[in-house]
Formats: sequence, C-alpha cells, structure tokens
Amino acid sequence: QVQLQESGPGLVKPSQTLSLTCTVSGGSISSGGYYWSWVRQPPGKGLEWIGFIFYSGRTYYNPSLTSRVRMELDTPKNQVSLRLSSVTAADTAVYYCARDGSDYGVSMDSWGQGTLVTVSS
Amino acid sequence: DIVMTQSPDSLAVSLGERATINCKSSQSVLYSSNNKSYLAWYQHKPGQPPKLLIYWASTRESGVPDRFSGSGSGTDFTLTISSLQAEDVAVYYCQHYFTTPRTFGQGTKVEIK
Repeated sequence: QVQLQESGPGLVKPSQTLSLTCTVSGGSISSGGYYWSWVRQPPGKGLEWIGFIFYSGRTYYNPSLTSRVRMELDTPKNQVSLRLSSVTAADTAVYYCARDGSDYGVSMDSWGQGTLVTVSS
Repeated sequence: DIVMTQSPDSLAVSLGERATINCKSSQSVLYSSNNKSYLAWYQHKPGQPPKLLIYWASTRESGVPDRFSGSGSGTDFTLTISSLQAEDVAVYYCQHYFTTPRTFGQGTKVEIK
C-alpha cells in the first residue's frame, strides 16, 4: 500500500519561498497513471487544490497560484517537491500531498499526514 | 472553474439517525464516454488527512462502512450516513475531478445532537 510523507520547514518568512517534499513509499511515482497532488488547508478554512504533477512530469496548477508554484519529480528518490514563491501570511496552512488516481476513476485515494507551514517574520 | 456548493454548512444528528449532505456543481461532471460522474466525497477529522469515502459519485472506497452511501449524477449529489455513529463526527467535503482545477465544496460539519 502506498504511503506518503510530507517534510520541510514549518516556518517561512514573508516574501520567501516555501519548499516541501513528499516522499512516496510502497510504489513508484514513475510507474504510470497517477497524478501526484498538493492540497492545502488554511487554519479554520476548507481544502484548496494547489495542483498536481503527472508521472511524465506534466504539471497542472491552480490558476490562482500558477504564477508562484512549481512542482517537480525526483524519480531516483521517489519524491515530489512543491515550491511556492513570494509567500504571505495567507499561505499559512497545512499542506498535504496526495495521490490522484483520476485516470482509474478514483480521485485522491492516498494522503500524507500533512505538514503545517506558518508564514511569519 | 467548476464551483462546488454544499448544503448545509453544518448539521447535528442524533446517534443512529440519518445524516444527509448535498453537493451541487456549477456544471456537469458527468463524463459521457463512460456515464460516470467524477465526484468524490471525503471525511476529514482534526489532525488527520482527508479520507476518501466515495468516488464516481456512488462507489464506496474499499474499507468504508456501508452506512456511507453516495448518489446523484451530473450536477446534484448526496452523501448519506444511514445511521450516524460517534466516530462519524467530522467535516465532509465533496470534490470534482472532472477537469482542472480540481475544486472542493466548502465542507459540511457533522456533529452529534
């Protein structure tokens, strides 16, 4: 069974770049068919889809964030990375990585535990 | 973007009673080639990641109790908990995966009356 684990700094200063890594175990990120997604939840608010990266490296980002977000695959390490630039307090949230199996009809069936990132000076 | 609207925002139900959550999409999420609605339901408890309950609007994910059921097609969907248990207290989200960007409903908080 695939497992996902997010890691990265819990505190980022305003205007800097947020960088997170999702380490996948129990399955290869390059094995095909899955989109590796990032979703966030600001404190007291709902879930927001940030975007995903396909196993081929093709990316799809939320239009509200597309100018600031980048996702990459590191296939030797079986990791997916998220970078969000020029952060503000509004980017404070719990960040989740998830596997999206839409091509199999399933949507996001496996999730990491999430990591809280606070944007503050 | 497809806008997902849930109702109600919160509801309190007695143990053993039925809970019903509605979700409406601003455009159809029905894929004509396979007649499947690309609509999922998640359960989200504090301190835990969201858990997929239902996909394709009505297919229960493996391991999900059968008191959870999904129905609907096109733009109107319902999640029903047939007999509410204490462990079902959570926020429930609908989400479409018909296209990008994926979008979620605002969430429905389910509590015990």
